[in-house]
Amino acid sequence: GNSVTQMEGPVTLSEEAFLTINCTYTATGYPSLFWYVQYPGEGLQLLLKATKADDKGSNKGFEATYRKETTSFHLEKGSVQVSDSAVYFCALSDTGRRALTFGSGTRLQVQP
Amino acid sequence: DADVTQTPRNRITKTGKRIMLECSQTKGHDRMYWYRQDPGLGLRLIYYSFDVKDINKGEISDGYSVSRQAQAKFSLSLESAIPNQTALYFCATSDSGQGKNEQFFGPGTRLTVL
Repeated sequence: GNSVTQMEGPVTLSEEAFLTINCTYTATGYPSLFWYVQYPGEGLQLLLKATKADDKGSNKGFEATYRKETTSFHLEKGSVQVSDSAVYFCALSDTGRRALTFGSGTRLQVQP
Repeated sequence: DADVTQTPRNRITKTGKRIMLECSQTKGHDRMYWYRQDPGLGLRLIYYSFDVKDINKGEISDGYSVSRQAQAKFSLSLESAIPNQTALYFCATSDSGQGKNEQFFGPGTRLTVL
């Protein structure tokens, strides 16, 4: 079956540091890949997505590239802010149900 | 204004009680989903529905049932709640159109079973 593995947190960074959150996946076929963000006390918001190999998703300074050869979709940001503190979920969507399979989430804490 | 709403937002109940969580959406999407979130486990799929007459079990459907009363409404029921159903529950919607595969989430319902 499908699965998503992402690095455990918490990840603690200083403001303006570089961020990488690793995500790898196992899936049949050609899934779409997503990063969702959950701010404290809120639901999940789509951060970015990629639907085919070599696509790069980007939003709010975050980027992730769909790498089929390494089955990865790592999240990066060049300069984090305190407001980026949240839990980040990597997920994939199969082509049939279009239900999401999530990783366990990575908590990011950015200190001023 | 919220496109996907969930009620109640918080609920405390006792073991053995029946409880219903409700989800409504104004996005016009045909597909709706219920997930539960547990610490360290991400979100896991309970049930999903492609339209009013098409309801399917997800990975962890035991102990749950659902009802799709209309395209815009999808309810999750716990027939006899137990403590390990204490979790954060999310409803989500998506459009079945080609290439429209992202999901939109409600704010969640925090359920505690004592």
